Amino acid sequence: IAGITQAPTSQILAAGRRMTLRCTQDMRHNAMYWYRQDLGLGLRLIHYSNTAGTTGKGEVPDGYSVSRANTDDFPLTLASAVPSQTSVYFCASSEVGAEGDTQYFGPGTRLTVL
Amino acid sequence: GQNIDQPTEMTATEGAIVQINCTYQTSGFNGLFWYQQHAGEAPTFLSYNVLDGLEEKGRFSSFLSRSKGYSYLLLKELQMKDSASYLCAVTDSNYQLIWGAGTKLIIKP
Repeated sequence: IAGITQAPTSQILAAGRRMTLRCTQDMRHNAMYWYRQDLGLGLRLIHYSNTAGTTGKGEVPDGYSVSRANTDDFPLTLASAVPSQTSVYFCASSEVGAEGDTQYFGPGTRLTVL
Repeated sequence: GQNIDQPTEMTATEGAIVQINCTYQTSGFNGLFWYQQHAGEAPTFLSYNVLDGLEEKGRFSSFLSRSKGYSYLLLKELQMKDSASYLCAVTDSNYQLIWGAGTKLIIKP
């Protein structure tokens, strides 16, 4: 593994189903983030974690939950998916204090909720 | 509220120079980033400015004026592969990253 990986690459999901998007980084960064990106809008922060064992809410946290059991993994769970959660989801990580906390992104997960 | 403004779309010619502007109104300022995002791909880091002035990295340069709440990304000797969206983002006083919607740059031969 080099950098950040996300799985799955894409997914079509029925409304009401539960879904976990996976994110793993091997850079030993202390901070991790989940964003969604929708056409015409900037990246919007869903949840973040400044260090293992802690998480925080971003701009659009409703309907999503996260956990940070260790440094490398930061899964995002949709408890009961709704069509408005159709989006591209990016996971990112940063080393706090390094060049302004520059964030590095995973390849993304394209999620469609029908 | 916090706001990042950048043009939605720009067109330029291969080999030319283009300047993409970004203005921001945020609660505090702790740095400004530019990212490049090709269609269907993840954003990739281009530059970081925290002090006023010009930062040059090869064909790309980024300028910051904190007093004006203004930055620009300058791309020289444009190549077809530079066709992408360019995202401006500002770190506010709480160290949260505020993102602009991005500027789609179209390069024509």
